[in-house]
Amino acid sequence: DVKVTQSSRYLVKRTGEKVFLECVQDMDHENMFWYRQDPGLGLRLIYFSYDVKMKEKGDIPEGYSVSREKKERFSLILESASTNQTSMYLCASREARSGANYGYTFGSGTRLTVV
Amino acid sequence: GNSVTQMEGPVTLSEEAFLTINCTYTATGYPSLFWYVQYPGEGLQLLLKATKADDKGSNKGFEATYRKETTSFHLEKGSVQVSDSAVYFCALVDSGGFKTIFGAGTRLFVKA
Repeated sequence: DVKVTQSSRYLVKRTGEKVFLECVQDMDHENMFWYRQDPGLGLRLIYFSYDVKMKEKGDIPEGYSVSREKKERFSLILESASTNQTSMYLCASREARSGANYGYTFGSGTRLTVV
Repeated sequence: GNSVTQMEGPVTLSEEAFLTINCTYTATGYPSLFWYVQYPGEGLQLLLKATKADDKGSNKGFEATYRKETTSFHLEKGSVQVSDSAVYFCALVDSGGFKTIFGAGTRLFVKA
C-alpha cells in the first residue's frame, strides 16, 4: 500500500523556535506538496516541489521554507515559529506523469501548536 | 480564475438515507475532477475521480458524474452508514495546470 508518512502527529513548540516538519513518500513520486488546513479557511498551499532540488512558492509561503534533497523526502521549515502558525499541516505527493489526471496521496497530518 | 463551490454543511442524515453533496466548478479547458474524504484526525484520502466529460467515478458505493454542461460533479451514495461521517472535499486540476483547487469541504454526520 502506497504511503506518505509525516514524522509527527502532534507537536507543541515555543514561539521563536525553528521547527522542522518531515514528510516521506515511498511511491517514487516526483511532485510533493505542503498544505495547511484551518477551520473556515480550507486547505491552503504553502510550497510545492516538482522534483528533487526544486521548489516553488504556493499561496502562503511567508514564514516558511522547504527542502527537497532526496526524491522521497520533503521538509517544511518554520524559521521562527509564531502563534499564527498553529495549524494542521498536510503533506501530499503525486505522480508527475500526466499529472493533472492523478490525485494526491496525503499523509495523516501534523497538528502543530505554537505557544 | 478556477474555483470550486460546494454546498455548505453540516449535512446530517440517518443511516441508510440517500446522500447528495453538490459541487460546481469554474475552470478553463477540460479539468480533472476529484472527491476527497477526510475522517476525523486524519489526512485527506482520494475517494474518486473523473477526467473527462460524462465520466463517472465510483468507489465504496459513492459515485459522481462529470457534467460539463452544468459544470458540476455532485457526490452521491444510495445508503449511507455511520462510518461515512467525515468531511468531503471536491477538487479540480485544470487541463494545463499543476495545483489542485479545493472546495471548502462539506461535513457529513450520519446518525444510527
